[in-house]
Amino acid sequence: NAGVTQTPKFRVLKTGQSMTLLCAQDMNHEYMYWYRQDPGMGLRLIHYSVGEGTTAKGEVPDGYNVSRLKKQNFLLGLESAAPSQTSVYFCASSYRLRGTQETQYFGPGTRLLVL
Amino acid sequence: KQEVTQIPAALSVPEGENLVLNCSFTDSAIYNLQWFRQDPGKGLTSLLLIQSSQREQTSGRLNASLDKSSGRSTLYIAASQPGDSATYLCALNSNSGYALNFGKGTSLLVTP
Repeated sequence: NAGVTQTPKFRVLKTGQSMTLLCAQDMNHEYMYWYRQDPGMGLRLIHYSVGEGTTAKGEVPDGYNVSRLKKQNFLLGLESAAPSQTSVYFCASSYRLRGTQETQYFGPGTRLLVL
Repeated sequence: KQEVTQIPAALSVPEGENLVLNCSFTDSAIYNLQWFRQDPGKGLTSLLLIQSSQREQTSGRLNASLDKSSGRSTLYIAASQPGDSATYLCALNSNSGYALNFGKGTSLLVTP
């Protein structure tokens, strides 16, 4: 059981470049989330998904797009990277949002530097 | 908007001490509260989850309490060890919305 994995671990981009961050989970979780963590800001939700084929905006969605074509994968895309998107990105998943088994499991993070 | 505050921001204690980390929140309409641990350069690991109807949860040397009426939660660590050194994050799942609202964390250093 690998849990939640993220690819890549670290990436450097130039302003205006695009990239996709991949999150995969092998726990058959319905819910998946993308957060960013910035110094002094804590973790903030970018986008989330409540099931295969569905996505929704979180607290800070601007500049990002997501897709959930398969239940186990949640992709985060940056179409035109900006220095303000330099951050550590965490993916998380949970079986449910509320009720039993709602604990969120986090991946190891992707460190992104935009120059 | 739910505001989550963690005090202190950093804490250094000698090995063996018992310690308390604090988390306060502004909106008591929460579904549950979680305490996470984050090691440098790593992801988050869930330590304890308290449902809104519960007062406390225990796991080994860790005990988390929840007082919704006062908007407070505490994480008690007994007999601290150097391996407990990490950042501890408090996060709330509100009754509405899908986001976990995180505090900024308490950075704990336990010295041998």
